[in-house]
Amino acid sequence: DTAVSQTPKYLVTQMGNDKSIKCEQNLGHDTMYWYKQDSKKFLKIMFSYNNKELIINETVPNRFSPKSPDKAHLNLHINSLELGDSAVYFCASSHTPLRGATEAFFGQGTRLTVV
Amino acid sequence: AQSVTQPDIHITVSEGASLELRCNYSYGATPYLFWYVQSPGQGLQLLLKYFSGDTLVQGIKGFEAEFKRSQSSFNLRKPSVHWSDAAEYFCAARSNDYKLSFGAGTTVTVRA
Repeated sequence: DTAVSQTPKYLVTQMGNDKSIKCEQNLGHDTMYWYKQDSKKFLKIMFSYNNKELIINETVPNRFSPKSPDKAHLNLHINSLELGDSAVYFCASSHTPLRGATEAFFGQGTRLTVV
Repeated sequence: AQSVTQPDIHITVSEGASLELRCNYSYGATPYLFWYVQSPGQGLQLLLKYFSGDTLVQGIKGFEAEFKRSQSSFNLRKPSVHWSDAAEYFCAARSNDYKLSFGAGTTVTVRA
């Protein structure tokens, strides 16, 4: 009964390919996020969805497209993969933070390696 | 600009010794504060959080953190470290919005 689950855990692919990472949460949260952790372990937010609506879209290349079919799912599709996209991608979820005191729960991460 | 700073990149501590990890934040108002731990090859696990009230917060795995408004700090402590505490520790902060900002992380190595 994993709270936030991501698939796959590891993904190795060639440059130029298109790939997707899936995320599901069973916590009843209405807000989901994608974070990128680079090789120096720095974590940076990429996207946030609240009730299927895009709330945060940081300066991420438009090759990255999040899709939220419902509140419990937030998938990340990446087109034309580049070497620099290699990183660990974390999905997270929380109750709406606009109400204040709430914490984010993170998935186990997807290690993407582009060769 | 809002930011979270963890001054120590790497700390080595002996098993059984005490541990303190520093975290400073720069926000217009006091943000919500968090400490997360990332064990090797694992995801992020919440250790503890500060929203309001008592400035000394207890968390899981024997960790505690103290919020000091005057120093804009939220330092994490553990009285006696176990080998399993070797991990990456992240301080994070958030205002009343969606952006959870992380510090650069502190790597903790535990020597026998």
